[in-house]
Amino acid sequence: GNSVTQMEGPVTLSEEAFLTINCTYTATGYPSLFWYVQYPGEGLQLLLKATKADDKGSNKGFEATYRKETTSFHLEKGSVQVSDSAVYFCALSVPRSNYQLIWGAGTKLIIKP
Amino acid sequence: EAGVVQSPRYKIIEKKQPVAFWCNPISGHNTLYWYLQNLGQGPELLIRYENEEAVDDSQLPKDRFSAERLKGVDSTLKIQPAELGDSAVYLCASSQGAGETDTDTQYFGPGTRLTVL
Repeated sequence: GNSVTQMEGPVTLSEEAFLTINCTYTATGYPSLFWYVQYPGEGLQLLLKATKADDKGSNKGFEATYRKETTSFHLEKGSVQVSDSAVYFCALSVPRSNYQLIWGAGTKLIIKP
Repeated sequence: EAGVVQSPRYKIIEKKQPVAFWCNPISGHNTLYWYLQNLGQGPELLIRYENEEAVDDSQLPKDRFSAERLKGVDSTLKIQPAELGDSAVYLCASSQGAGETDTDTQYFGPGTRLTVL
């Protein structure tokens, strides 16, 4: 079946540190991959996405590359800020199906000044 | 462009009372989703609409939950009667409806935080 596995949190970093949040997936067919971010007390916001192998999604300094060979979609940022503190969710959807999003468990990121 | 609008943002009720949540999707989006999110977890799909038709309601507890999307735009999710375990955030999302395209990105509203006492 389809599934998403994220690294467990919380991840605690100092401001300006390099961030990696790992995400691997299992899917039939060729899924689309997403990173959503949820700031405290708010809804989910689409951060970035990639729809085919080797695509790189990027937004607000965050990047993730769709790696089919390793079935991964790791989220990276070169220099984090306190305002990046949030919960990050990796998700996939399988095209030409019911487009249901399959979610990872979420990774809480805490950035200390 | 306006995003997905939900109201109310917060609701506190006593158990056994009814409650309703409202969602206005992004203009032109044919597909609408209702999710439930418990603290520290990812969203769980309750129901998905294509226009006014509920095409996936397999996860909706139909004994107490109901939803409607009249005219294929706004939607209402109702719980009657509410139970303590229903305390959660209820999220609405919408998407264009991809048809035969490769992806159909979902955009979420801010959610309604429900507390049942």
